[in-house]
Amino acid sequence: EIQLVESGGGLVQPGGSLTLSCVVSGFSVGDNYMSWVRQAPGAGLEWVSIIYRSGRTHHADSVKGRFTLSRDNLKNTVNLQMNSLQAEDTAVYYCARPRGSYRQEYFEQWGQGTLVTVSS
Amino acid sequence: SYELTQTPAVSAAPGQTAKMSCGGNNIESKSVHWYQQRPGQAPLLVVYDNGDRPSGIPDRFSGSNSGKTATLTISRVEAGDEADYYCQVWDVTTDHQVFGGGTKLTVL
Repeated sequence: EIQLVESGGGLVQPGGSLTLSCVVSGFSVGDNYMSWVRQAPGAGLEWVSIIYRSGRTHHADSVKGRFTLSRDNLKNTVNLQMNSLQAEDTAVYYCARPRGSYRQEYFEQWGQGTLVTVSS
Repeated sequence: SYELTQTPAVSAAPGQTAKMSCGGNNIESKSVHWYQQRPGQAPLLVVYDNGDRPSGIPDRFSGSNSGKTATLTISRVEAGDEADYYCQVWDVTTDHQVFGGGTKLTVL
């Protein structure tokens, strides 16, 4: 059974840092693309970051330079390091598995999400 | 940046058909994907590549993409279909995944 389980969310002050983790079972993160999507309270979905099989990463403009995406193949985990957090980063963060043809990907599996609240 | 426009709200009575649209520049040339999100739950893929359904999604859900609009159609609407629905494409200009703003389906 495929499962994606996020952790690491919580309350953080503006300017602070937080690392989210997504533990995967049922497939190998090193053999797949992995992505993060977030949803601010009462708002729609926003794509955040992706890591390709090559290890190359790509980020939304809103988080570029502040967020770093990495993976640990031994632990079968992807990690989203978030720095310089702002109130606008408050959201539920979902780990998702992109599938499909290159540059036509869709998100086939999702985790249950972890809430990040940026507030003083 | 590329934008996807969705009608904010749609309603349908049980047993009727609900249609929701997703508009964008040259959308007919893109693969459009659709997600259902019930309150408090993670999104669920219901249609991918314009009209294909993942395993386990009933054939009441169908998608199309022609003209200037992609459409998600839900036939024989049920109370459990009440949810937010999002369309999504990949934007060649920014190399970003893009979501529409979502359509709230109310089952009357």
